[in-house]
Amino acid sequence: QKEVEQNSGPLSVPEGAIASLNCTYSDRVSQSFFWYRQYSGKSPELIMSIYSNGDKEDGRFTAQLNKASQYVSLLIRDSQPSDSATYLCAAGMGYSTLTFGKGTMLLVSP
Amino acid sequence: SAVISQKPSRDICQRGTSLTIQCQVDSQVTMMFWYRQQPGQSLTLIATANQGSEATYESGFVIDKFPISRPNLTFSTLTVSNMSPEDSSIYLCSVELTRTGEQFFGPGTRLTVL
Repeated sequence: QKEVEQNSGPLSVPEGAIASLNCTYSDRVSQSFFWYRQYSGKSPELIMSIYSNGDKEDGRFTAQLNKASQYVSLLIRDSQPSDSATYLCAAGMGYSTLTFGKGTMLLVSP
Repeated sequence: SAVISQKPSRDICQRGTSLTIQCQVDSQVTMMFWYRQQPGQSLTLIATANQGSEATYESGFVIDKFPISRPNLTFSTLTVSNMSPEDSSIYLCSVELTRTGEQFFGPGTRLTVL
């Protein structure tokens, strides 16, 4: 059974710090990986996609993928209180369904 | 990304009744999905809504309980049938716009069953 594992948190960081969110996946054939941000009472919003090993940067966000270790991470630099949300990691096989983790709650304190 | 709308945004229903949720996209998409998110939980895929054919259901979900329609490439409905309090959840539709696996979600429907 495909599984995506995340620490539920909460992960607490002070404003301006780097937040590091981690995720592992069980299905070795997974090819596509995504990070979604979900504010309380809202639907998930896609913030990063990554498909190959290494780092991918977009603004304050960096996604990291290590397929050998079956590990995905999301770094948020210069964390802001508005980044406080639940971050969902998802894995898929390209043009197919996604498996979601249970999410990590991030709290950024002013 | 696409503009995705869902109706209703929320509803309170009685046990034993059914509710149909609509999902509308502002562009044609091949892949549409229906998810459930129970309180404090992650997303669970109910089914893939296929245009012109029967939906593909995930393990634990059946057509009699969650019938799905997909009459065209911009619209789908999910019906929650013979509801019980355990069906209280947020129901979300999502679409995949490109062959990259990226999915975009509608605003969700918050269902409470009494």
